[in-house]
Amino acid sequence: AQKITQTQPGMFVQEKEAVTLDCTYDTSDQSYGLFWYKQPSSGEMIFLIYQGSYDEQNATEGRYSLNFQKARKSANLVISASQLGDSAMYFCAMREPSVGGSNYKLTFGKGTLLTVNP
Amino acid sequence: GAVVSQHPSWVICKSGTSVKIECRSLDFQATTMFWYRQFPKQSLMLMATSNEGSKATYEQGVEKDKFLINHASLTLSTLTVTSAHPEDSSFYICSANRGRAFFGQGTRLTVV
Repeated sequence: AQKITQTQPGMFVQEKEAVTLDCTYDTSDQSYGLFWYKQPSSGEMIFLIYQGSYDEQNATEGRYSLNFQKARKSANLVISASQLGDSAMYFCAMREPSVGGSNYKLTFGKGTLLTVNP
Repeated sequence: GAVVSQHPSWVICKSGTSVKIECRSLDFQATTMFWYRQFPKQSLMLMATSNEGSKATYEQGVEKDKFLINHASLTLSTLTVTSAHPEDSSFYICSANRGRAFFGQGTRLTVV
């Protein structure tokens, strides 16, 4: 069974500074994918970044980068130059392998509540 | 990106009544959709996988008679909370995959 662990219930960061949100995972599959989603208080799930298990380079999307360490089974999210609007819940999720290809389930971690201070 | 729309955004209902939540894929066909439940300050828990034209697959511990799922077309899945009780109050959110998962806006259900 797959498992996602986010050990930081809450994190604080000063505006304009960088912050790292931790995520470790456990799976016996060779092919898997890792996602990070942002959930503001409105409840919507906003996709941030994706890393495939066979991707050789760490994923980057604007101010977001994923520090993927396969041997350690970690996929930490790095947010650079934090903004007040980054204050939200952040979830790490793993894609379960699916026979049908695109119809995969996601397993979520417990989340980290990030607060950006002015 | 793809768009998944969920309706209503919030609903208040009386205990004992049923509530229907709709999840639509607006610009792509989704043979499979997923329904999640989220309690305050907790993670998303998968409730069931909705399959177009066939029965939904429920996760362990989810009452299929309480949470009825219908996926009658390639763009619409519905979740009906039957005989709702206050403990069913929660945030329900659906998703469909097109490469990656796209989520609806979510529905906050309050049962009074």
